[in-house]
Amino acid sequence: QSVLTQPPSVSGAPGQRVTISCTGSSSNLGADSDVHWYQQLPGTAPKLLIYGNNNRPSGVPERLSGSKSGTSASLAITGLQAEDEADYYCQSYDSSLRGYVFGTGTKVTVL
Amino acid sequence: QVQLVESGGGVVQPGRSLRLSCAASGFTFSSYGMHWVRQAPGKGLEWVAIISYDGYNKNYADSVKGRFTISRDNSKNTLYLQMNSLRAEDTAIYYCAKRWGNYNDAPSDYWGQGTLVTVSS
Repeated sequence: QSVLTQPPSVSGAPGQRVTISCTGSSSNLGADSDVHWYQQLPGTAPKLLIYGNNNRPSGVPERLSGSKSGTSASLAITGLQAEDEADYYCQSYDSSLRGYVFGTGTKVTVL
Repeated sequence: QVQLVESGGGVVQPGRSLRLSCAASGFTFSSYGMHWVRQAPGKGLEWVAIISYDGYNKNYADSVKGRFTISRDNSKNTLYLQMNSLRAEDTAIYYCAKRWGNYNDAPSDYWGQGTLVTVSS
């Protein structure tokens, strides 16, 4: 089951900025566990987008950024482009479950 | 380059078993923990299981505990998922994913393309 809550969808016009929230609890984000973000294009495997709350792997553009505070985290996409249309998932480690949890997922639509 | 290739998916009847494999290449397989993650049709990602780099430590999601077993053969650079007592709700694409670092909240930096498991009579 998902214990990280995300909005089902967000949308924006090309060039705009959108943010995706990820709300957890005291046993995951609030327990100082790192949050990671993945992008899943239609019909493909997830791809690591942000790791360790706010770090970008090589090749991920600077217009994507992450942040975390307390039991919440967010992913921001600035300068929205058509290629950003995808599903986005946050992920963390849960110390109570002693396992890994994903967010409910957010579909980004470029208008 | 890192490659993860899953195989073994297919259609299986409820209550039967299936074993998935994930062949790894392009990195030192024996140095990294590995995950199985699944995605039911039209649904989100669900973590299934993790195994440490040496195979000694394993953990499972409650939904599969007691039915699924994760294992690895470092001599063959291969990860496995033995799935027993399959249920309709186990129908999903199953991905293997490489853990980036051997600490609890390490991310998964590489994923396979997935293999589809359909549990149906």
